[in-house]
Amino acid sequence: GAVVSQHPSWVICKSGTSVKIECRSLDFQATTMFWYRQFPKQSLMLMATSNEGSKATYEQGVEKDKFLINHASLTLSTLTVTSAHPEDSSFYICSAETGGNHEKLFFGSGTQLSVL
Amino acid sequence: GQNIDQPTEMTATEGAIVQINCTYQTSGFNGLFWYQQHAGEAPTFLSYNVLDGLEEKGRFSSFLSRSKGYSYLLLKELQMKDSASYLCAVREGNAGNMLTFGGGTRLMVKP
Repeated sequence: GAVVSQHPSWVICKSGTSVKIECRSLDFQATTMFWYRQFPKQSLMLMATSNEGSKATYEQGVEKDKFLINHASLTLSTLTVTSAHPEDSSFYICSAETGGNHEKLFFGSGTQLSVL
Repeated sequence: GQNIDQPTEMTATEGAIVQINCTYQTSGFNGLFWYQQHAGEAPTFLSYNVLDGLEEKGRFSSFLSRSKGYSYLLLKELQMKDSASYLCAVREGNAGNMLTFGGGTRLMVKP
């Protein structure tokens, strides 16, 4: 089946630094990728939708200048958390959708970000 | 916009049957998904319903009633490993096929 690779699995960083998370579709072309954030014991909250070659669409309340999303190719999307602060500590998950299969989203394995 | 409701927590006994309900309000409904998520891991796909009725996959079944804005996930012959969160997610056809997730139901299976 389709595989989405997300790296890193976990990262610890100092407050004020930037962290980049990569999401790759390994065996299919992902026309659309989604980025979610999940706080402990809460559900997934959609942060943004990115389409290859165009600007990401951010959900209300998500700062586009803080969470930079780049979807430069059909197999790679990146999320950069700029000037991270402790309140940004969360589990970040990407998912990818192919143009040919609307029944399923394929999720990455998630990235646990801890900002000290 | 969407409003998706599901119980926060449920407890059941190993070997039993449990039903997790999900109600939603949405415009342009284009499918309902159930995912299982263990703590610290990504969600895994369980089922997809877009038409009314019951979809059965082994020990798991999912039901949808579009007129009632209602779905349930039925888990039979519960096993300890079924202890997890179960996420109901709805897709709107006019929202670029993105999913909106409910708050999730944390299921605890006891011996």
